[in-house]
Amino acid sequence: QITLKESGPTLVKPTQTLTLTCYYSGFSLRNDGEAVALIRQPPGKALEWLALIYWDGDKRYSSSLKSRLTVTSDVSNNRVVLTMTNMNPADTATYFCAHAGTSDYHIDSWGQGTLVTVSS
Amino acid sequence: DIQLTQSPSTLSASVGDTVTITCRASQSIGPWVAWYQQKPGKAPELLMYKASTLESGVASRFSGSGSGVQFTLTISSLQPDDFATYYCQLYNSRFPYTFGQGTRLEIK
Repeated sequence: QITLKESGPTLVKPTQTLTLTCYYSGFSLRNDGEAVALIRQPPGKALEWLALIYWDGDKRYSSSLKSRLTVTSDVSNNRVVLTMTNMNPADTATYFCAHAGTSDYHIDSWGQGTLVTVSS
Repeated sequence: DIQLTQSPSTLSASVGDTVTITCRASQSIGPWVAWYQQKPGKAPELLMYKASTLESGVASRFSGSGSGVQFTLTISSLQPDDFATYYCQLYNSRFPYTFGQGTRLEIK
């Protein structure tokens, strides 16, 4: 059974960097065909895809946020870390991580999400 | 970047109705669309992938179709539990993953 759980601060000040950790189980990013996606959802708004990291270390980023995002993988500890620099109030959102795999990398399992508020 | 436009944004229907949600891509994307259902305060749940493949465990009243630029999600015989928000998503390593803006299905 695949599970994912997001961990990070609930409150971030403007201009600070967000570090969000996604802990997962039930699969390994050492294995061919696995990936982890990061998605966010501002309150009352639509889902927004942020980044994807593949089992082989390849990464994809949202074009609009690429300059602010970095995603890394720590396979020994079954975790993925997303950093987002220069946070501002518009980045207030629930941040999700999710598993993508099953041959064509569609997202099939999600974490519960964690709300990050950007405010001074 | 490729844009996905869902229509309608809001849909009012009754239990037992059949409804269709459309997702249109700004350029051809093959079959690489997934559909998700999201309820308030919850993470999305996968309904369909590769346009028309039903995720295991999802009720057969959900069906998907399309390829290229136009995709549809049809829900037949609406049940009370189906009233939620639905999102389409482009997924493929050649393109940035993108979500549609969502369709809220509400009880009439």
